Amino acid sequence: GESVGLHLPTLSVQEGDNSIINCAYSNSASDYFIWYKQESGKGPQFIIDIRSNMDKRQGQRVTVLLNKTVKHLSLQIAATQPGDSAVYFCAENMTLAYSGAGSYQLTFGKGTKLSVIP
Amino acid sequence: SAVISQKPSRDICQRGTSLTIQCQVDSQVTMMFWYRQQPGQSLTLIATANQGSEATYESGFVIDKFPISRPNLTFSTLTVSNMSPEDSSIYLCSVRQGEQPQHFGDGTRLSIL
Repeated sequence: GESVGLHLPTLSVQEGDNSIINCAYSNSASDYFIWYKQESGKGPQFIIDIRSNMDKRQGQRVTVLLNKTVKHLSLQIAATQPGDSAVYFCAENMTLAYSGAGSYQLTFGKGTKLSVIP
Repeated sequence: SAVISQKPSRDICQRGTSLTIQCQVDSQVTMMFWYRQQPGQSLTLIATANQGSEATYESGFVIDKFPISRPNLTFSTLTVSNMSPEDSSIYLCSVRQGEQPQHFGDGTRLSIL
């Protein structure tokens, strides 16, 4: 079946540099994407989301880019800090047809471990 | 965003036994979900917990193995039944309210001996 995947399983970045984490998706019908950060011993924490009618969205130090032509999603972290060290997951929204309430589920990518070198 | 509390945070269980995990939210939410995250891997949806009706299970997960309850809009339980070492995982509760992004609890780390 269709799934979400990541290009790079691990990424090491020098503190202060920018980080780019990539994600490929294959479901062309997906209309909503989320990036999560998961620190050791914790659950995934919402970072930023983007809908398919947008190409770019910015948050605090983070930017998500969506390229629907090549089904590619990226997360950019500016001025990476040691506290950014974590595993990052992209997730893809797949609207469920069987729920009259319009429920949905997220399909998660494999994750990228970001290590920040002090 | 909603505050999600899971109990227990971790447990070590004997094979063949069952464990019920609780998920409590500090506000009413439209949807609640249960995920499994095996060591070093990504998240897999087990089921959607439906308030007042049977949960909706994903492929590969069945009610007999993972019975779920959701008596109201702030609480749900997941039971892992007849556990085997293969069930050792992190089990995560997640919620969504309206059009807000889905949020997660910190999970229950389960080890089966």
